[in-house]
Amino acid sequence: KAGVTQTPRYLIKTRGQQVTLSCSPISGHRSVSWYQQTPGQGLQFLFEYFSETQRNKGNFPGRFSGRQFSNSRSEMNVSTLELGDSALYLCASSSERQGARYFGPGTRLTVT
Amino acid sequence: GNSVTQMEGPVTLSEEAFLTINCTYTATGYPSLFWYVQYPGEGLQLLLKATKADDKGSNKGFEATYRKETTSFHLEKGSVQVSDSAVYFCALSGSAGGTSYGKLTFGQGTILTVHP
Repeated sequence: KAGVTQTPRYLIKTRGQQVTLSCSPISGHRSVSWYQQTPGQGLQFLFEYFSETQRNKGNFPGRFSGRQFSNSRSEMNVSTLELGDSALYLCASSSERQGARYFGPGTRLTVT
Repeated sequence: GNSVTQMEGPVTLSEEAFLTINCTYTATGYPSLFWYVQYPGEGLQLLLKATKADDKGSNKGFEATYRKETTSFHLEKGSVQVSDSAVYFCALSGSAGGTSYGKLTFGQGTILTVHP
């Protein structure tokens, strides 16, 4: 089976812009979750989608949003980018909500 | 809320040395526990998992046992290799019905460097 794929792998944006990141889960997986990784804060949970519905959300401002499509692919959007949004954004998929998560390679976002 | 605490790093070992990375957790209910490994420039790879008390997860020579009485999930390997150099993360997944269901809570990560 193909693993989790994320596009793009690298992104450079300017403060104030918005960005959309994409994630394709492992075939058959219905749960997709997103995490932000930074040197200072470590790995932090953003949100989880299961069967196209957001089931859980982390402690991030409303500028961070996401959605899941009927084929389980997911996107996350960050509006009005700030310098502090520079991070590695990781997507993970699993077949069930408590099961093992399988991570993609991440999207490295740099905000200048 | 749930939390995971890993031993302070970094850890530096010689090849063939014994490895232990401590992990303790705080959670309600019956969480599932995981160890992930991250190599430079890559995402997280699932190393092993345990879903209930006394379960032992194992993979590639690494082992960890889910100890509910001590709320621990320590990672061990009998003989490390240079190729094991990476960052290791302990994580838990909240149990059904809780506010943390569906999310992973991670420890801060432990950097392991193995010298030849």
